[in-house]
Amino acid sequence: DGGITQSPKYLFRKEGQNVTLSCEQNLNHDAMYWYRQDPGQGLRLIYYSQIVNDFQKGDIAEGYSVSREKKESFPLTVTSAQKNPTAFYLCASLNRDPPYEQYFGPGTRLTVT
Amino acid sequence: GDSVTQMEGPVTLSEEAFLTINCTYTATGYPSLFWYVQYPGEGLQLLLKATKADDKGSNKGFEATYRKETTSFHLEKGSVQVSDSAVYFCALSASGGSYIPTFGRGTSLIVHP
Repeated sequence: DGGITQSPKYLFRKEGQNVTLSCEQNLNHDAMYWYRQDPGQGLRLIYYSQIVNDFQKGDIAEGYSVSREKKESFPLTVTSAQKNPTAFYLCASLNRDPPYEQYFGPGTRLTVT
Repeated sequence: GDSVTQMEGPVTLSEEAFLTINCTYTATGYPSLFWYVQYPGEGLQLLLKATKADDKGSNKGFEATYRKETTSFHLEKGSVQVSDSAVYFCALSASGGSYIPTFGRGTSLIVHP
């Protein structure tokens, strides 16, 4: 079955450490996205990539970095510069043919103490 | 720019009650419209979609009709179950080549036995 995998499901880190969240898709989608979700809040776009080796900042990119070396993979690094990194992180991909449907992974819950 | 407005939650209902979650949008062009559902601790799943005016999307007893004249896409279900308790997001597709969907803030639904 095609889909998006994110690992791990839960991640714990100490303050001051960088951490990388994995996102892999086998849907053959060009476009991939990272969102952040805080309790009771909607989705906020961190970074997105329309094609391999290219990515753009979203609304809240400060303190995060990404890479897109392969079509299937779009890892997100939460750096020590991110002031409030504890959140639920969602990866998504999008079919660039109409109706432009977006598919989501199961999410990673990051807790930084 | 594009925007989606959803009714604020939480919406609290008894089992077998009728559900309506309002969604209105502002968009240029002719976007597709989506409802996604997010169960606790999980990613978003596509619930239903509609691609043009007067289309009705339906799935699992949920329905929504694309109303261009009122720029609305309200979600309805005739008889909710406890298992429908989740957060529901209304969204419109990327437009103008940006490939960035626009999401509402989400509406939490709580169904009591």
